[in-house]
Amino acid sequence: QIVLTQSPAIMSASPGEKVTMTCSASSSVSYMHWYQQKSGTSPKRWIYDTSKLASGVPARFSGSGSGTSYSLTISSMEAEDAATYYCQQWSSNPPTFGAGTKLELK
Amino acid sequence: QVQLQQSGPELVKPGALVKISCKASGYTFTSYDINWVKQRPGQGLEWIGWIYPGDGSTKYNEKFKGKATLTADKSSSTAYMQLSSLTSENSAVYFCARSGDYDYWGQGTTLTVSS
Repeated sequence: QIVLTQSPAIMSASPGEKVTMTCSASSSVSYMHWYQQKSGTSPKRWIYDTSKLASGVPARFSGSGSGTSYSLTISSMEAEDAATYYCQQWSSNPPTFGAGTKLELK
Repeated sequence: QVQLQQSGPELVKPGALVKISCKASGYTFTSYDINWVKQRPGQGLEWIGWIYPGDGSTKYNEKFKGKATLTADKSSSTAYMQLSSLTSENSAVYFCARSGDYDYWGQGTTLTVSS
């Protein structure tokens, strides 16, 4: 199965700061998908097909990448963005998730 | 609006089995897969399998074959996951999520396996 490695595992950012987190796949995937999860709630689809924002996701978020290297970027950190972000691939069975990047507000 | 409503928390003894439900509303139940995902406390997400309610076809993560059984009842628009021979390793929150897009998720069902 394809292993997704997210880095960093934990990070903090100040309001207004640019944030970038990465997801590396053990084999090439066609697309990467991202989910946001806040404590005690279910994950929410956040970015799909590498770069498409899910409904309601602020435009300060963006996704990019190809092959084995993908990233999620927040252009200007806001308090509401503090959460854990998971990448996921379903190009290859079984679908797999990364271990997550926990983003904290500094 | 699309909703997936899961059954409540479960406390079961080791060796027992449990059946968790996921009731869908706001869309045509038979037109979308339902995926099941496991999350252990403080850990990441793990795909268990999917069921296509339209014809009952299923696909499982090899890791969960023999552990999880997915079914669906078209008459009530409800998907089910049965977990058998439970151990402490099966204690987790279990989510259902619609389709390969995972565009809608249930609220999660907490399963605790303890004597």
